[in-house]
Order: sequence, then C-alpha cells, then structure tokens
Amino acid sequence: NAGVTQTPKFQVLKTGQSMTLQCAQDMNHEYMSWYRQDPGMGLRLIHYSVGAGITDQGEVPNGYNVSRSTTEDFPLRLLSAAPSQTSVYFCASSYSMTGGTPNNEQFFGPGTRLTVL
Amino acid sequence: GENVEQHPSTLSVQEGDSAVIKCTYSDSASNYFPWYKQELGKGPQLIIDIRSNVGEKKDQRIAVTLNKTAKHFSLHITETQPEDSAVYFCAASSFVWRALTFGSGTRLQVQP
Repeated sequence: NAGVTQTPKFQVLKTGQSMTLQCAQDMNHEYMSWYRQDPGMGLRLIHYSVGAGITDQGEVPNGYNVSRSTTEDFPLRLLSAAPSQTSVYFCASSYSMTGGTPNNEQFFGPGTRLTVL
Repeated sequence: GENVEQHPSTLSVQEGDSAVIKCTYSDSASNYFPWYKQELGKGPQLIIDIRSNVGEKKDQRIAVTLNKTAKHFSLHITETQPEDSAVYFCAASSFVWRALTFGSGTRLQVQP
C-alpha cells in the first residue's frame, strides 16, 4: 500500500490564484480530513469527510472547498489564495470502525508546503 | 469545542535520560488520546495512543498515562536516543467528533 499520498510537495502561488491540493489513500478508509500546520499552533482541522459524498467543515474552513466523489480521493481547493493561507497542509485518513469499535487512528500524508505571495 | 494544551514547548535531554511531555484537555467527552512524532519535512506519525477506559499503556521505551479526573495525559520516553529527536504532538478526539484537536507541539532534542 502507498498509504496517504499528497501532491504537489511544494507550491508557490500569487494572491488571488486558485489551485487544488490532491490527496489520495489506498487503504479503503472511510474518514478523510485536511489539516493545516502553522508554526507554534499545532495542526488545525480545515474540512473532513466521513464517506463518499459527505463533507463538513472543521475549525478553519474559510477560503477552502472540498468534495469527496470517491472513497480514495479528497481534494482541497483554494478558491482565491491569500498570504494567510501560507502553511503546510496535511491530509489524513482512517477507518470508521474496526472490529465493531469506532476507530480514531489517523494516518497522515507527507504534506504540501504552500507559499502565497 | 475541545482545547488541548501541551508543555513544554522545547525539551533538551542527554542521551539515556527520560523525557516527559504533558497535555491537558478541556472536553470531558474526549475519549481517544494519540501521540504523534513529526520529523523534519514529514507528516505526523502515530507512536502510541490511549483510550479513556485505560490508565496507562506501554510500548517498549514509550508509555502514555491518562488521568481522566484531572483531564491530563502524558508521554514518557525512557532511555532516550538521538533518533528520538523530533517534534511531538498530543491530540484528543471522541468517537462522535472524530477530528483530532492537537496540542501546539514539543520539540525534543536528545544530546549525544
């Protein structure tokens, strides 16, 4: 298994540009999420999905859109990039249940470092 | 919502010494507490976790303790090695609200 993969690894955007950060997992996980990591602040949840066709907002959703058309993919769209969105973005996934018990163990991708000028 | 505080922000120990990192959480509904290790340029990697029906869990040199009454949990690393140097994050979540709320991280430096 490749696990959780993210592309690109690095990206530089100009203010106002749009782009999509890609995330894919090959573990058949139902739950997927996006976090951003800023210095000294840990990771904060942007959006999450409990299954194909279902998405919801996290702690810091403004300026981002997501969709979940398949179990494997969970892209994150920046609609109009702003310098405040300069950050490292991580995608994570997990099973919803394991052996009849809710499963919270999340696996993280390698991250995308985004700079907005 | 949940709030997780983590201390210290930096920790320097000599190789072979023990390291302890502490976290507190605010939401009594939280029942899952993982610890992640993040090396430079990589994503967080789960190293150990504990559920609220357990008070302590060990895995070789790593242990986690949980005090539900006081709402705090700690990571203990014994016999530290230079390869333990990394940023460590604690987190909390519940079975209902699966998203992880992270602490702000501890940079551990193990001096050879």
